[in-house]
Amino acid sequence: NAGVTQTPKFQVLKTGQSMTLQCAQDMNHEYMSWYRQDPGMGLRLIHYSVGAGITDQGEVPNGYNVSRSTTEDFPLRLLSAAPSQTSVYFCASSYSMYTFTYEQYFGPGTRLTVT
Amino acid sequence: QKEVEQDPGPLSVPEGAIVSLNCTYSNSAFQYFMWYRQYSRKGPELLMYTYSSGNKEDGRFTAQVDKSSKYISLFIRDSQPSDSATYLCAMSSLPNAGGTSYGKLTFGQGTILTVHP
Repeated sequence: NAGVTQTPKFQVLKTGQSMTLQCAQDMNHEYMSWYRQDPGMGLRLIHYSVGAGITDQGEVPNGYNVSRSTTEDFPLRLLSAAPSQTSVYFCASSYSMYTFTYEQYFGPGTRLTVT
Repeated sequence: QKEVEQDPGPLSVPEGAIVSLNCTYSNSAFQYFMWYRQYSRKGPELLMYTYSSGNKEDGRFTAQVDKSSKYISLFIRDSQPSDSATYLCAMSSLPNAGGTSYGKLTFGQGTILTVHP
């Protein structure tokens, strides 16, 4: 199993550009989530999904869109990049929303810089 | 006020020391308490998980939860240089707790720990 994979590893965008951060898992997990990590702020939840076709907002959803058309993939879209979205983005997955508290696997992260 | 507060450190200790890492929280609905370890430029990995109050031990690591004080701790005994990492606490509530926080983890800011030989 590859676990949770994220692409790209690094990305530089100009203000106003859009892009999609990819996340995939091969563990047949129902629960997937996106976090951003900023210095002094810890990890903050952006969006999460409890299954294909079901998504919900987290703590900091503004400026981001998600969709979940398959169990394996959970892409995060930046609609119009802003410097405030410079961060490290982590995708995570768990077997279900009832196991995410004790069994959540994180991807290696995407480092995004918006100039 | 943040729901979860964690002293960011940094914390530097000699090899073999006992390390104490702590978090406080304000949301009384939190029932699940987790500690994650994150090495530099890597994703977090779950270290320990506790439900409700009490202690849990796993090798050199002990997690404690004091719900009356809204305070959780992670103790590392006989610390090793390989323990050098950022430690993040995280919390979540029960389902149907009357709020919307189930399914979501709330993290502390993380404490940077260095164990020097």
